[in-house]
Amino acid sequence: AQTVTQSQPEMSVQEAETVTLSCTYDTSESNYYLFWYKQPPSRQMILVIRQEAYKQQNATENRFSVNFQKAAKSFSLKISDSQLGDTAMYFCAFSPPIGNQFYFGTGTSLTVIP
Amino acid sequence: ETGVTQSPTHLIKTRGQQVTLRCSSQSGHNTVSWYQQALGQGPQFIFQYYREEENGRGNFPPRFSGLQFPNYSSELNVNALELDDSALYLCASSPTRSGRMVGTDTQYFGPGTRLTVL
Repeated sequence: AQTVTQSQPEMSVQEAETVTLSCTYDTSESNYYLFWYKQPPSRQMILVIRQEAYKQQNATENRFSVNFQKAAKSFSLKISDSQLGDTAMYFCAFSPPIGNQFYFGTGTSLTVIP
Repeated sequence: ETGVTQSPTHLIKTRGQQVTLRCSSQSGHNTVSWYQQALGQGPQFIFQYYREEENGRGNFPPRFSGLQFPNYSSELNVNALELDDSALYLCASSPTRSGRMVGTDTQYFGPGTRLTVL
């Protein structure tokens, strides 16, 4: 069974600083997909970044980047130049290679402090 | 391009009642998944519909059922509501091929329906 663990229930960062959110997962699959979703107080889950396990290069999307360590089954999200609008709940999610469901972690609540 | 929409936004029911939640998928998406998100938790997969048939189910009892219509919109029905059914219900659509998510597919979520069971 796949499991996703986010060990940081809450984090805070000063505006313009950098913060890293941690995520580990457990799977016996060799190929899979990993995601970070953002859920602001408005509740809508928004895709932040996506990583395919067979790609060694870490994904980046503007201020968001990941550190994907396949052997360690670790998938952390780095947010650079944090902005007030980054305040939200962040969920790490795993999807098997040919699967029809996402497995989510319990989330990390990030607060950006002005 | 219209995103995923859900209705109603909020709903209050009493234990034992039945409820129907609705979801309109993003344009061009043929697959709809439903998730239950309890307070302070991550979303849990309920089931997925592809081409009007159930295409995978999580660990939820049969009183959770669904439908998908020819226009790919979907309904989630919950019978005999229990207090623990109180949660945010999320719908997500994806442009999967052959009913399985592959390649660059991902899921796009609606804003959710907040269900409160009293």
